[in-house]
Amino acid sequence: KNEVEQSPQNLTAQEGEFITINCSYSVGISALHWLQQHPGGGIVSLFMLSSGKKKHGRLIATINIQEKHSSLHITASHPRDSAVYICAVTGGYGGATNKLIFGTGTLLAVQP
Amino acid sequence: ETGVTQTPRHLVMGMTNKKSLKCEQHLGHNAMYWYKQSAKKPLELMFVYNFKEQTENNSVPSRFSPECPNSSHLFLHLHTLQPEDSALYLCASSQVSGGNYGYTFGSGTRLTVV
Repeated sequence: KNEVEQSPQNLTAQEGEFITINCSYSVGISALHWLQQHPGGGIVSLFMLSSGKKKHGRLIATINIQEKHSSLHITASHPRDSAVYICAVTGGYGGATNKLIFGTGTLLAVQP
Repeated sequence: ETGVTQTPRHLVMGMTNKKSLKCEQHLGHNAMYWYKQSAKKPLELMFVYNFKEQTENNSVPSRFSPECPNSSHLFLHLHTLQPEDSALYLCASSQVSGGNYGYTFGSGTRLTVV
């Protein structure tokens, strides 16, 4: 079982829909990261959070430390949001504590 | 550009070749990383360098040899690779301080071993 689990693995939405991607983790963490990867490979860091909620434009990320769960929400989705969204955590579980452990990613396709 | 530059973007090499991947950042970060992304698998950590010192080697085969001459540059030297080493290799950097680490990723090198 992966230490970081994401759901769903694949998601197709219509333009304008509200989208939620979920992430659960089983290790102690210092921070949780949401990343976006477009075709071609480059990764962009969307959020880093250790508690509560963050908002950037149409993107909202929340985390519940007690439940070891985070969600990424996209409001008014657009085809340009189509990408792979990756949840990752950093924490004090041995070795370099600043290394990322990744979920398997959620492939989002937003259709016009 | 994200501030982390990787070269080359694409590389095709034979199993007997020796090549190097380069990563450069001028963000003032003090930690650099190599990650590997194979098809249909999560990103995997390969190496971590904090303040130019290697602090993590995630059981990577010796045919991959990292080098960090200074806090701005990171190399991955490749020799006698196998076809299963074909993957996207991503470099990242971060500022290590106080427990919160903001990461910046490069665009990756798409490696094909033939």
